Amino acid sequence: AQKITQTQPGMFVQEKEAVTLDCTYDTSDQSYGLFWYKQPSSGEMIFLIYQGSYDEQNATEGRYSLNFQKARKSANLVISASQLGDSAMYFCAMRENAGGTSYGKLTFGQGTILTVHP
Amino acid sequence: DAGITQSPRHKVTETGTPVTLRCHQTENHRYMYWYRQDPGHGLRLIHYSYGVKDTDKGEVSDGYSVSRSKTEDFLLTLESATSSQTSVYFCAISDLDRGNQPQHFGDGTRLSIL
Repeated sequence: AQKITQTQPGMFVQEKEAVTLDCTYDTSDQSYGLFWYKQPSSGEMIFLIYQGSYDEQNATEGRYSLNFQKARKSANLVISASQLGDSAMYFCAMRENAGGTSYGKLTFGQGTILTVHP
Repeated sequence: DAGITQSPRHKVTETGTPVTLRCHQTENHRYMYWYRQDPGHGLRLIHYSYGVKDTDKGEVSDGYSVSRSKTEDFLLTLESATSSQTSVYFCAISDLDRGNQPQHFGDGTRLSIL
């Protein structure tokens, strides 16, 4: 079974609008972490935002926020006021046993390609 | 930017030849990882290391070996490359000893096996 599911292969958004990229996960661990990375066409992987399973508040980093719904096992990325430079592939990833001996290994989803239109 | 250098950045080689990819970090992080990225699969973990000479297998380790003789270098070796190993390879590092830190990635190596 997929541990990380990103159901949107591609998304389109108008510049300056907000967009939500979906991510659902599957784990039996109580302690885990969720990450979002951005991969522009140049290929590098850029860390955007992190949410711990015990964090009570949704994580925010500038224009990025993570809509964390633990009971639904979803960790959607919200990008506000989209910019042309936001066009990229976005990956959701999970680190299980965050407080134990997972060695920090990440499981990635398949990614969502976001295109921002002017 | 995290100090991670992958070499080479691009390589084309033939089936059956050995290939070694190098990841070098200047951050003194204990944890290092090798992933491969293929269309439709996201990134998948090949091997990881949690210290000098401490390594273990990931999800897709068949056909790959690794070595870590010093903190700063993590080598990925394809003993006898096959066309199915054509991929983009990413190295990542993490400072887990300081808590829930993210992984930071190198710029990737594009490897083509003909």
